[in-house]
Amino acid sequence: DVVMTQSPLSLPVALGQPASISCRSSQSLVHSNGNTYLNWFQQRPGQSPRRLIYEVSNRDSGVPDRFSGSGSGTDFTLEISRVEAEDVGVYYCMQSTHWPPYTFGQGTKLEIK
Amino acid sequence: EVQLVESGGGLVQPGGSLRLSCAASGFTFSGHSMHWVRQAPGKGLVWVSRIHSDGTHITYAESVKGRFTISRDNAKNTLYLQMNTLRAEDTAMYYCVRDSSTLDYWGQGTLVTVSS
Repeated sequence: DVVMTQSPLSLPVALGQPASISCRSSQSLVHSNGNTYLNWFQQRPGQSPRRLIYEVSNRDSGVPDRFSGSGSGTDFTLEISRVEAEDVGVYYCMQSTHWPPYTFGQGTKLEIK
Repeated sequence: EVQLVESGGGLVQPGGSLRLSCAASGFTFSGHSMHWVRQAPGKGLVWVSRIHSDGTHITYAESVKGRFTISRDNAKNTLYLQMNTLRAEDTAMYYCVRDSSTLDYWGQGTLVTVSS
C-alpha cells in the first residue's frame, strides 16, 4: 500500500498569513497514463470532508483561489496564501493512483494563532 | 445540487450486522463509481470500499474484506453497505462518496457504534 505522510500535523497560523502543508508518498504517484492522482480535502469542525484540489493542482469549483496545490512524483504541497478564519479544520492528502486501497495522509490540523 | 444522504447507522453489538444506505440525487447516479469511507471518532479518514458505476469492479480494504459487501441499485439511485460480523474497531462515521476524477462529493455520514 502507498503510505502518505503529512507534515506538520499541527499548524497554528495567524490570520492573513500564509500556510503550507507537505504530503509525501512512499512511491511515485505518476500513473501509467501520465496523470498524477494526488488530492487535497478540507474537513471543517463538525462537517464532512470537502475536496479542494484534484490531480495535484486543479481547484474544485467554489474553492477560493488562495488555495493552491503543487508538486510531483512523491512530494506535494498545499498552500494557502492568506489564512482566513473559515480555513480552520483538518486537511488531508489522498492518493488515487495505486488502488486499492485509496490512502489518506494522517491529517494536518490548522488553527488560528 | 449533488446530494448524498446516508442512513442505517446505529448501535450494534459485536458480531452483529447493519446495512447502510446512501440515497443520491442531483446527478446521474448510474454514471459514477461510488465509495464508502469511514472515520473513527477523533481519527483520520480511511477508505473502505468502491463499486463501479455498473455494479462491477468491486474492491475492499483488507480490514473489511469478507465481512462487508458494497452494492448499488441504479434504478433507486441508492448505494448500500452490508456490514456483518462487526467489531469494536468498526465504530466510525461512515461516509458515502461520489467518484468524479476521484472522490469528490461526500455525504454527511451515518454513525455506526459497535459496543456491548
